[in-house]
Amino acid sequence: GNSVTQMEGPVTLSEEAFLTINCTYTATGYPSLFWYVQYPGEGLQLLLKATKADDKGSNKGFEATYRKETTSFHLEKGSVQVSDSAVYFCALISNTGKLIFGQGTTLQVKP
Amino acid sequence: EADIYQTPRYLVIGTGKKITLECSQTMGHDKMYWYQQDPGMELHLIHYSYGVNSTEKGDLSSESTVSRIRTEHFPLTLESARPSHTSQYLCASSELAGASTDTQYFGPGTRLTVL
Repeated sequence: GNSVTQMEGPVTLSEEAFLTINCTYTATGYPSLFWYVQYPGEGLQLLLKATKADDKGSNKGFEATYRKETTSFHLEKGSVQVSDSAVYFCALISNTGKLIFGQGTTLQVKP
Repeated sequence: EADIYQTPRYLVIGTGKKITLECSQTMGHDKMYWYQQDPGMELHLIHYSYGVNSTEKGDLSSESTVSRIRTEHFPLTLESARPSHTSQYLCASSELAGASTDTQYFGPGTRLTVL
């Protein structure tokens, strides 16, 4: 079946550190892949997406590349800010149109 | 990006009350969804709709019900709220029903507390 696995949190970094949040998936076919971000007390916001192999999604300094060979979609940012503190969800859209989420990774950035 | 609204943002009510959580979107999206988010942050699909007069149950069994009388409106109702219904409820919508490139856009959520 379809599933998404993210690295366990919380991830705690100092401001300006490099961020990687690992995400791997299992799916039938070639699903679109997404990263959503949830700030405290808010709903989910679409951060970036990629619809086919080798696509790179990017937004607000965040990037993720769709790697078919390793079934991965790791989220990266070169220099995090305190305002990036949030919960990050990796997700895929199944061939039945359902969005399958990972369990979420909490990022805490300290000044 | 979709404009999707949820009201109320926060609700505290007593056991046994009937409540309706409102969700509206202004993008004309056909598909709409309700998710329940538990304290561990995991998201569970509880209802979805492909369009007007279409409603389906999601992956997590829920005592709530939904209706879709208008494209833009997808309210969720609890006939008799219980403490076990305490949760964050997120509404979402998407443009392309069933497409593998479908993108869901989320509202700000309603945090429900049942005493």
